[in-house]
Amino acid sequence: GGIITQTPKFLIGQEGQKLTLKCQQNFNHDTMYWYRQDSGKGLRLIYYSITENDLQKGDLSEGYDASREKKSSFSLTVTSAQKNEMAVFLCASSIGINQDTQYFGPGTRLLVL
Amino acid sequence: SQLAEENSWALSVHEGESVTVNCSYKTSITALQWYRQKSGKGPAQLILIRSNERENRNGRLRATLDTSSQSSSLSITATRCEDTAVYFCATMDSNYQLIWGSGTKLIIKP
Repeated sequence: GGIITQTPKFLIGQEGQKLTLKCQQNFNHDTMYWYRQDSGKGLRLIYYSITENDLQKGDLSEGYDASREKKSSFSLTVTSAQKNEMAVFLCASSIGINQDTQYFGPGTRLLVL
Repeated sequence: SQLAEENSWALSVHEGESVTVNCSYKTSITALQWYRQKSGKGPAQLILIRSNERENRNGRLRATLDTSSQSSSLSITATRCEDTAVYFCATMDSNYQLIWGSGTKLIIKP
């Protein structure tokens, strides 16, 4: 088995601030994902990466940057935090882009004051 | 883009009873997955059902897929308190991206 670790668990930021969320996986999976989950809603794809140094935009990429410098890690940057923003950011990985099961981390909870 | 949507916002049954969560989607799919998310955790896959399958099972869970009506159901038998969670259906499009519904909150009462 493997595990996905997300840091930090909670993130409180100020309006306009640049904030970085980190994700590590030890499954040795090629593909990694970042999703945003708003309260009571489903997941929306922000970015995904098929392999190291690859980046693909999802439907919600505006306002975010991502980085995949190593196979095991995938980071997400909120480029300018929006006031009163509150969401959970979930990282996931899968064997490949056409492999169906995605394994999720516990999430980073963001609150912008 | 296509949309997957669970048909109920919330359901509640007593422990031991059976329950079914329904999902509808638009456009064609390669597969549909059911995930469960417990409070404070990330989602975990329960069942995957491909577009050429009608049914798939995993222990007490049974998923069906009707491509003609573009709908799926997830049934749980002999429910337990630990089945309390939000249940999502997610469809996989031809670009292998998952499109998620907004989820059904299932509460199992003792």
